[in-house]
Amino acid sequence: QKEVEQNSGPLSVPEGAIASLNCTYSDRGSQSFFWYRQYSGKSPELIMFIYSNGDKEDGRFTAQLNKASQYVSLLIRDSQPSDSATYLCAVPQTGTASKLTFGTGTRLQVTL
Amino acid sequence: DAGVIQSPRHEVTEMGQEVTLRCKPISGHDYLFWYRQTMMRGLELLIYFNNNVPIDDSGMPEDRFSAKMPNASFSTLKIQPSEPRDSAVYFCASSFAGVRGYTFGSGTRLTVV
Repeated sequence: QKEVEQNSGPLSVPEGAIASLNCTYSDRGSQSFFWYRQYSGKSPELIMFIYSNGDKEDGRFTAQLNKASQYVSLLIRDSQPSDSATYLCAVPQTGTASKLTFGTGTRLQVTL
Repeated sequence: DAGVIQSPRHEVTEMGQEVTLRCKPISGHDYLFWYRQTMMRGLELLIYFNNNVPIDDSGMPEDRFSAKMPNASFSTLKIQPSEPRDSAVYFCASSFAGVRGYTFGSGTRLTVV
């Protein structure tokens, strides 16, 4: 099993809809989780991080963490064409808060 | 702050040549990471430094790859000799105390022909 797994997509949602991106991880000791957005040809950009079980909201973005089930989700409300990008989930290796393992990313397409 | 600065942005080289990629982290950040990104394998950590000291180089593919961080504001990743399979985008990232994720540089797109 890969350490961090994501569906590669593409996930296609119409403008204004909710996009739901999922990530599962294998290390039960993981304490923090990060979501990065990467536009085509650009570098990854941190958009959300979450440490505690439950939801964390930031504008149109909500991160959801369920440690018992070992998954973390990113919801994007009122999706816009500018949200079209690849979304990468990242999890630190246990024992080192600094070393992130990235999933391969989910490509999101927001259609007009 | 100018962010993490990488150079060059693009590099095209012939197989067998030496390639040096450069990175200037954000001032005050004590961690520096080198990642490689390909379509097939995604983002792979090659090596990371803490306070200029290499901590984990287990991701370096082979002896052809080497990295240095002579001071807090500069790091290099060298490939010698380069091979076509090294073609990828190489990202440098830095962070403070490893918390709250990284800030990535713009990357160097390396093409070895």
